[in-house]
Amino acid sequence: GQNIDQPTEMTATEGAIVQINCTYQTSGFNGLFWYQQHAGEAPTFLSYNVLDGLEEKGRFSSFLSRSKGYSYLLLKELQMKDSASYLCAIMDSNYQLIWGAGTKLIIKP
Amino acid sequence: GAVVSQHPSWVICKSGTSVKIECRSLDFQATTMFWYRQFPKQSLMLMATSNEGSKATYEQGVEKDKFLINHASLTLSTLTVTSAHPEDSSFYICSARDLASGDTDTQYFGPGTRLTVL
Repeated sequence: GQNIDQPTEMTATEGAIVQINCTYQTSGFNGLFWYQQHAGEAPTFLSYNVLDGLEEKGRFSSFLSRSKGYSYLLLKELQMKDSASYLCAIMDSNYQLIWGAGTKLIIKP
Repeated sequence: GAVVSQHPSWVICKSGTSVKIECRSLDFQATTMFWYRQFPKQSLMLMATSNEGSKATYEQGVEKDKFLINHASLTLSTLTVTSAHPEDSSFYICSARDLASGDTDTQYFGPGTRLTVL
């Protein structure tokens, strides 16, 4: 079957670093997406990984290991506005999106 | 867990024809469903919010007469792209909120429908 796992909730302190993990088992792989979603808003695209390795984009980085079925989203220098849900999604061999349940990130002062 | 399905997964149609996309919540009831459009490696653009038993709420710039939304039951919402044109080609994604969970923030996303208009 197809499965994506990510933690339900995480708490971190303003200014710190947090890593949100995503593990997956899917039928085929055509890329992994990370989205940020604030309550009541549409998801915002953060990153897309299709090859192994780390992609850095400002304070956010995303890592992928296809052999391990594993990705993480790294957020540095956390700000209060980073409090949101972070969604991991895989595009499978049929170019369908398989969604994780999302990780609710709570930032404390 | 909460599962949302979409049908069809892929659709190719001729310009000028209409296409209906279904979004179903399989194991929960959803009073609210959302329709999004996604362009390659971009954010999901909210098109409309579909409420069971009432008219959909469209986002600014989305033509309600072109993108018809019907939410006839607590488990089904449909999006009909009328008189489709090549610029309507996109990946359409729906999501739903679980009525019983009491969580007004969490949305469960469907796998998407890829529309290609020739």
